[in-house]
Amino acid sequence: AQSVTQPDIHITVSEGASLELRCNYSYGATPYLFWYVQSPGQGLQLLLKYFSGDTLVQGIKGFEAEFKRSQSSFNLRKPSVHWSDAAEYFCAAHGGATNKLIFGTGTLLAIQP
Amino acid sequence: EPEVTQTPSHQVTQMGQEVILRCVPISNHLYFYWYRQILGQKVEFLVSFYNNEISEKSEIFDDQFSVERPDGSNFTLKIRSTKLEDSAMYFCASRQKETQYFGPGTRLLVL
Repeated sequence: AQSVTQPDIHITVSEGASLELRCNYSYGATPYLFWYVQSPGQGLQLLLKYFSGDTLVQGIKGFEAEFKRSQSSFNLRKPSVHWSDAAEYFCAAHGGATNKLIFGTGTLLAIQP
Repeated sequence: EPEVTQTPSHQVTQMGQEVILRCVPISNHLYFYWYRQILGQKVEFLVSFYNNEISEKSEIFDDQFSVERPDGSNFTLKIRSTKLEDSAMYFCASRQKETQYFGPGTRLLVL
């Protein structure tokens, strides 16, 4: 069955430190991959997406993600986090004939001063 | 920048009552979706809609749920007789090419 896994439920990093949030997918073929961010009380904002081509994609707010086919992964990174990055981050995918998004369980990011 | 809007932002209802959640998708988008997120759980697909028809629905989307595009701008989700377990955040999304853009959500609480 198609699935998206985010192994880390909760991560705390210090402000200014680097960040990597993990995402693995299980699909028959390479799906379209997305990262969304949800700030408290807010909706889902698209950070970045990967369809094909360059495996390192840049997004908004200084985020980037790298697609690794061999590891079925699409990890999100940021070189230096800011307190405003505290939020929940969702990896999602769709593929094949359907465009319904399948979401991971989310990773809640806390930033400590 | 155009965005998806949803109303109301919060709704409290009694079990067994009907609710209608409203969405205004981005104006030139043709594909529309509803998702829900029960507190503490992952975001789940409910239904997709294109050309005035449901194109796909999940097992969650039973006979108590319906969707409609009553005019050129609104896209609604109706829950006919709410249950306690319908309490969740409901997100509308519209799609351009392969990317879905989400609204801010409606938090539904069924008492």
